[in-house]
Amino acid sequence: SQKIEQNSEALNIQEGKTATLTCNYTNYSPAYLQWYRQDPGRGPVFLLLIRENEKEKRKERLKVTFDTTLKQSLFHITASQPADSATYLCALGSNTGFQKLVFGTGTRLLVSP
Amino acid sequence: NAGVMQNPRHLVRRRGQEARLRCSPVKGHSHVYWYRQLPEEGLKFMVYLQKENIIDESGMPKERFSAEFPKEGPSILRIQQVVRGDSAAYFCASSPTWGQGNQETQYFGPGTRLLVL
Repeated sequence: SQKIEQNSEALNIQEGKTATLTCNYTNYSPAYLQWYRQDPGRGPVFLLLIRENEKEKRKERLKVTFDTTLKQSLFHITASQPADSATYLCALGSNTGFQKLVFGTGTRLLVSP
Repeated sequence: NAGVMQNPRHLVRRRGQEARLRCSPVKGHSHVYWYRQLPEEGLKFMVYLQKENIIDESGMPKERFSAEFPKEGPSILRIQQVVRGDSAAYFCASSPTWGQGNQETQYFGPGTRLLVL
């Protein structure tokens, strides 16, 4: 069955450092991968989308890589800030015409001042 | 620009009662998705609807759960005869109509937290 793995342990880093979160998947050939941010008690907020034919995508302090051979995506936040503290979810989508997303369980990021 | 709206934000029901969760998509969006998030678990897809049509309900439990997205009004997720295991956060998301934006991006509402006593 499809499986998406994100590090279940919280990632603690100091302000100013680069945070790197990992998303691995098996038994799936996604057409695209998305990263979302979720704060406690709130719904996920879309951050970035990367397609299967793209290696890297950037948006301000965010960078996503997508390696379909390794079946892995890395999500980087450079110059991290305490306001970046949240749970980050990766989600895979197919191009079957049905746009349902398959989500990982998320990784909690804590940025200390 | 109003985002996805869900109500109620919190809903308490006793076992055996019915729960109705409402979702108004982003204005102009015609695709609606429902997801369920259990504590310490990821979001699980339930159903994908377009106006007046259920497109994919592969994640919906076979019994007690139903969803609709009428021509007018919000999308409704209905849970009949709730049980304690239905306690979860239910999120609705919407995406743009074909040809009017990036259909892959889903915009989520704040969720409805259902507690079954």
